[in-house]
Amino acid sequence: EPEVTQTPSHQVTQMGQEVILRCVPISNHLYFYWYRQILGQKVEFLVSFYNNEISEKSEIFDDQFSVERPDGSNFTLKIRSTKLEDSAMYFCASSEWAGLYNEQFFGPGTRLTVL
Amino acid sequence: ELKVEQNPLFLSMQEGKNYTIYCNYSTTSDRLYWYRQDPGKSLESLFVLLSNGAVKQEGRLMASLDTKARLSTLHITAAVHDLSATYFCAVEMDSNYQLIWGAGTKLIIKP
Repeated sequence: EPEVTQTPSHQVTQMGQEVILRCVPISNHLYFYWYRQILGQKVEFLVSFYNNEISEKSEIFDDQFSVERPDGSNFTLKIRSTKLEDSAMYFCASSEWAGLYNEQFFGPGTRLTVL
Repeated sequence: ELKVEQNPLFLSMQEGKNYTIYCNYSTTSDRLYWYRQDPGKSLESLFVLLSNGAVKQEGRLMASLDTKARLSTLHITAAVHDLSATYFCAVEMDSNYQLIWGAGTKLIIKP
């Protein structure tokens, strides 16, 4: 069964460093998303991406964040200068957008720890 | 702004009992999703509810949607330990198809 994959599973970085989180969405999906979840808290939407551009972004997704689809399979989230409060689980999701509904399928997540 | 509220946020129950988790939302939407998350794991899609009166069942879980009341329920019948997890509802916005998430209900089922 097709699934969303993410690498790395855990990333530890120093405050102020840049990190890139990688995702491979399900191959026939057209819509891609990044979410984050601070430990024990709710899922927070960061950004959605369609047709090689950002379609929506939240207030959290400020200038420190960027997304890219560098080739036909990968979808990346870059944080330019990490802060302590960026420590969270980051989930990538993708959806086919069946026209009626937007069921999203999630990857296993990358745990980002900023020291 | 669309708000999604789940209750209870925490539920501890015995095996064999029935219980219901509620998901209220603040604006019109016809599409609602339930996801399950095990500790340290990803989010697994459980149910897609697409219209008023929709009811879906899978094993001991049944989800329903009342768009007029802006309410969805997730009912657990004769709970078993394997259903211990955090359950999230997510409402799809009519305007841009984003999912707005509830805070999650942490369900612990004791043997």
